[in-house]
Amino acid sequence: DVKVTQSSRYLVKRTGEKVFLECVQDMDHENMFWYRQDPGLGLRLIYFSYDVKMKEKGDIPEGYSVSREKKERFSLILESASTNQTSMYLCASSFLAGVNEQYFGPGTRLTVT
Amino acid sequence: KNEVEQSPQNLTAQEGEFITINCSYSVGISALHWLQQHPGGGIVSLFMLSSGKKKHGRLIATINIQEKHSSLHITASHPRDSAVYICAAFSGTYKYIFGTGTRLKVLA
Repeated sequence: DVKVTQSSRYLVKRTGEKVFLECVQDMDHENMFWYRQDPGLGLRLIYFSYDVKMKEKGDIPEGYSVSREKKERFSLILESASTNQTSMYLCASSFLAGVNEQYFGPGTRLTVT
Repeated sequence: KNEVEQSPQNLTAQEGEFITINCSYSVGISALHWLQQHPGGGIVSLFMLSSGKKKHGRLIATINIQEKHSSLHITASHPRDSAVYICAAFSGTYKYIFGTGTRLKVLA
């Protein structure tokens, strides 16, 4: 089975802190994604990566950065957390080619106070 | 207007009922993905389909490409089916467009 893991299920941080969310997948997928999920808005793409050190902005990249130094690991960084970044963050991965089904991690519920 | 619309937004059913969740999309797609999200957040893939119909246990998904519409059916619903069901349109390369989800509650 594909396994996508995220470093934390719940996280509470203070405004202005630097926050790291990590995601690891074990299926040798080329694509990795970071989404945030808010009530009534569905999943929105923050960033995605199709290869090591490659990244593309999604629909809402402002306030976030990402890092992909190894194929299996994709990190989301909040440089200076703000209260409007309180959300559920979901990582996903998929193969690059074809009709590529996404596999999701368990999510990290981040609260910024 | 969202490019992927789901209906209904909320649904309460009695155990044993037949349930239908609808998904309409306005973009060209390669495939449509049905996902299930239980309380606590984790998302599980149910079906990915680009034509016709797929069945897995009590779940059936259909898609009509010409009408840009897909349905997810649950037969003999059970309280453990209570979850949020999300459809996502896959338009090629990496891009998924997600619906906002249908929250299903099945009462015993």
